[in-house]
Amino acid sequence: QKEVEQNSGPLSVPEGAIASLNCTYSDRVSQSFFWYRQYSGKSPELIMSIYSNGDKEDGRFTAQLNKASQYVSLLIRDSQPSDSATYLCAVIGGTASKLTFGTGTRLQVTL
Amino acid sequence: NAGVMQNPRHLVRRRGQEARLRCSPMKGHSHVYWYRQLPEEGLKFMVYLQKENIIDESGMPKERFSAEFPKEGPSILRIQQVVRGDSAAYFCASSVGERFYGYTFGSGTRLTVV
Repeated sequence: QKEVEQNSGPLSVPEGAIASLNCTYSDRVSQSFFWYRQYSGKSPELIMSIYSNGDKEDGRFTAQLNKASQYVSLLIRDSQPSDSATYLCAVIGGTASKLTFGTGTRLQVTL
Repeated sequence: NAGVMQNPRHLVRRRGQEARLRCSPMKGHSHVYWYRQLPEEGLKFMVYLQKENIIDESGMPKERFSAEFPKEGPSILRIQQVVRGDSAAYFCASSVGERFYGYTFGSGTRLTVV
């Protein structure tokens, strides 16, 4: 079982719609959760972090965490073509400092 | 305040040569992390260093790869006798301390082995 799992996609949504990206993780002691956006040929860019159960909103982005289900998600409201990218879920477990990444979900926002 | 600086941006090496990748952390950061991203794959942790110390190298291949973060100067990821399978993007990130809240990556070095 992979430590962090994501559907590779592509996930295609029309402009203006809500994009929902999902991630599950296997290590129950994981404490910190992150979403990175990566455009083709570029480095990953941190867009959201979440540390406790529930929702965290930042502009058009909402991160959701459910530790009991070992599940974290990212919602993007009013999706724009510029949101088309690969979204990487990342997790830190226990006292470790290293991030463990999923393989990413490719999002395509269509006109 | 400059971000994490990596150079070179692109590096081409012939099989059997050595590759040296450099990473200068953000000002005030003393912790450096190296990740590798193979084509169409996610990022894989390689090594975590503090100044003059390797803290966690659990992701480093056992042979040909080494990393250092000297007291002065950038962190260096060194790959000896490169092979085609080493072709990848190598990213560096830095943080202030061991507990962090999401670190920032440099722009990466794209290594191509021909």
